[in-house]
Amino acid sequence: DTGVSQNPRHKITKRGQNVTFRCDPISEHNRLYWYRQTLGQGPEFLTYFQNEAQLEKSRLLSDRFSAERPKGSFSTLEIQRTEQGDSAMYLCASSVPGQGYGYTFGSGTRLTVV
Amino acid sequence: AQSVTQLDSQVPVFEEAPVELRCNYSSSVSVYLFWYVQYPNQGLQLLLKYLSGSTLVKGINGFEAEFNKSQTSFHLRKPSVHISDTAEYFCAVTKNTGGFKTIFGAGTRLFVKA
Repeated sequence: DTGVSQNPRHKITKRGQNVTFRCDPISEHNRLYWYRQTLGQGPEFLTYFQNEAQLEKSRLLSDRFSAERPKGSFSTLEIQRTEQGDSAMYLCASSVPGQGYGYTFGSGTRLTVV
Repeated sequence: AQSVTQLDSQVPVFEEAPVELRCNYSSSVSVYLFWYVQYPNQGLQLLLKYLSGSTLVKGINGFEAEFNKSQTSFHLRKPSVHISDTAEYFCAVTKNTGGFKTIFGAGTRLFVKA
């Protein structure tokens, strides 16, 4: 068990470019979550997968954002036509079924849009 | 819907002094409560959780928290802090049935001074 892995750790991109982040959850965790964290704020929920099914997307997730989890393993989060307001830390977390176990978080991907 | 309010954005304290980080929550249904810690440039790590039973829960690194249903609070305490406890602390809530996402507070920055 190597924990939740996120790549890349840092990404600097020009406004208007597309970016993709990857998350590898703990292998036996069938739930996977994406959160966004801006400076001085707590994590904000973006989307949630149970196995390969995306069960909910936050209204924060505009149509420029898309997430996938093919085969219920790793997940990708893509942002198209990035804007400066997308600059944030993007956190991935995974958990076993049930609400009482808490999450295991990755170290995050810090996105800077210039 | 659930919400979490962390009453202090920053808490400075001297090393070996006691500390309390305050958290209030709002929910129309029963919830599970969590505290997470985030060290610089890292993801969040679960400190402790309240599911049911004893209202005083103990976590890692000598932290404990007390659930108070009548006051809808879940304050985090440590009797003697170390420099290494300097970090951001997040209180969080999840519905205990039918829910899947965790709602986080804005965080409290604990700064331990020598």
